Amino acid sequence: EDKVVQSPLSLVVHEGDTVTLNCSYEVTNFRSLLWYKQEKKAPTFLFMLTSSGIEKKSGRLSSILDKKELFSILNITATQTGDSAVYLCALMNYGGSQGNLIFGKGTKLSVKP
Amino acid sequence: EAEVAQSPRYKITEKSQAVAFWCDPISGHATLYWYRQILGQGPELLVQFQDESVVDDSQLPKDRFSAERLKGVDSTLKIQPAELGDSAMYLCASSFRDREHEQYFGPGTRLTVT
Repeated sequence: EDKVVQSPLSLVVHEGDTVTLNCSYEVTNFRSLLWYKQEKKAPTFLFMLTSSGIEKKSGRLSSILDKKELFSILNITATQTGDSAVYLCALMNYGGSQGNLIFGKGTKLSVKP
Repeated sequence: EAEVAQSPRYKITEKSQAVAFWCDPISGHATLYWYRQILGQGPELLVQFQDESVVDDSQLPKDRFSAERLKGVDSTLKIQPAELGDSAMYLCASSFRDREHEQYFGPGTRLTVT
């Protein structure tokens, strides 16, 4: 069964800290791995990763995928209070219905001033 | 900027009552998804439409849930009768055909069943 496991489930840091969020997965037919940020409402798209070792970067956020070890990390440097959110990792596989995202439970990040 | 619209944003209902949620996807998006997100969990796909056709409803509890997208544009998700365990956020998302990795989510409907 395809699944996504995120760790830690929650994390409290202070502004300026660097954090690393983890996502490990099991999948029969990998297509892509996605990261979303969810504040009070809908998830918003951050990154899509399909190839190992290629870092995706957007401002203070970056992410990388390891398809051999079946995990991805999301890094946030110089954290700000506005980074407080739940970060969701999701897997998309081939087969079954195209577009079925399998989400992890998320990591709740709290950034204190 | 185009957005996925959902209504209502909040709904409180008593168990055994019927409830319906509405979603209007981004214009031009052929694929529409309904997800359920229980507090503390990630979203879980309930049903996926391609135009007006259901392509995946394997996780939809069909004894009480139904979904339709009659004209291939907006969609309605219905629960009848509602149960306490249905309390959750119901998220609608849409994407262009063959670009399923770019799903845009609506603000969700938070359902509380009492």
